[in-house]
Amino acid sequence: GAGVSQTPSNKVTEKGKYVELRCDPISGHTALYWYRQSLGQGPEFLIYFQGTGAADDSGLPNDRFFAVRPEGSVSTLKIQRTERGDSAVYLCASSLSVGETQYFGPGTRLLVL
Amino acid sequence: AQSVTQLDSQVPVFEEAPVELRCNYSSSVSVYLFWYVQYPNQGLQLLLKYLSGSTLVKGINGFEAEFNKSQTSFHLRKPSVHISDTAEYFCAVSDSGAGSYQLTFGKGTKLSVIP
Repeated sequence: GAGVSQTPSNKVTEKGKYVELRCDPISGHTALYWYRQSLGQGPEFLIYFQGTGAADDSGLPNDRFFAVRPEGSVSTLKIQRTERGDSAVYLCASSLSVGETQYFGPGTRLLVL
Repeated sequence: AQSVTQLDSQVPVFEEAPVELRCNYSSSVSVYLFWYVQYPNQGLQLLLKYLSGSTLVKGINGFEAEFNKSQTSFHLRKPSVHISDTAEYFCAVSDSGAGSYQLTFGKGTKLSVIP
């Protein structure tokens, strides 16, 4: 079956603009996770969904970042008033349920000019 | 809170030679441990994981790792590497309780296999 997919694969935007990053998890996976990987660093946890609700959003850096998963499947990470420091690869992962193995997508590479 | 240290940012090794990628962690609670591999332009792929039981864990592609609680280490090994093993390897930890969903990663080790 298909793995985790993320769109777009690359996004270039200007400082101050709004962006949306999409994640399609593996079918049937109830848990979904967002991580951010800055250059030269390992991925850092942002937020985790169990079903439609954000069970833990403690990793979101500030209130410019928001994520939704309205139907318990596809998730969108939204970044308002982008800053150059937001440039990174944004990774999405899903698992059958919480605590199970996390399967990662290829990521969205965001560049803020 | 947990942290992971991967001391080697880059490891060059000749083809068919053995390799060890080092990982040390810090945690005040019991942990689960993971190794992921990232090939260029691809997502992270799970190599192996330690949850409980035997401290020697075997994974895909001939890799294995050993959990050493006293040394808080989880080093990754392969007895004979191939060109196709060239990639970046990430060690990760989570707590074994309610916070098991949150992976904390190290900075990664780039393995370069030299023909």
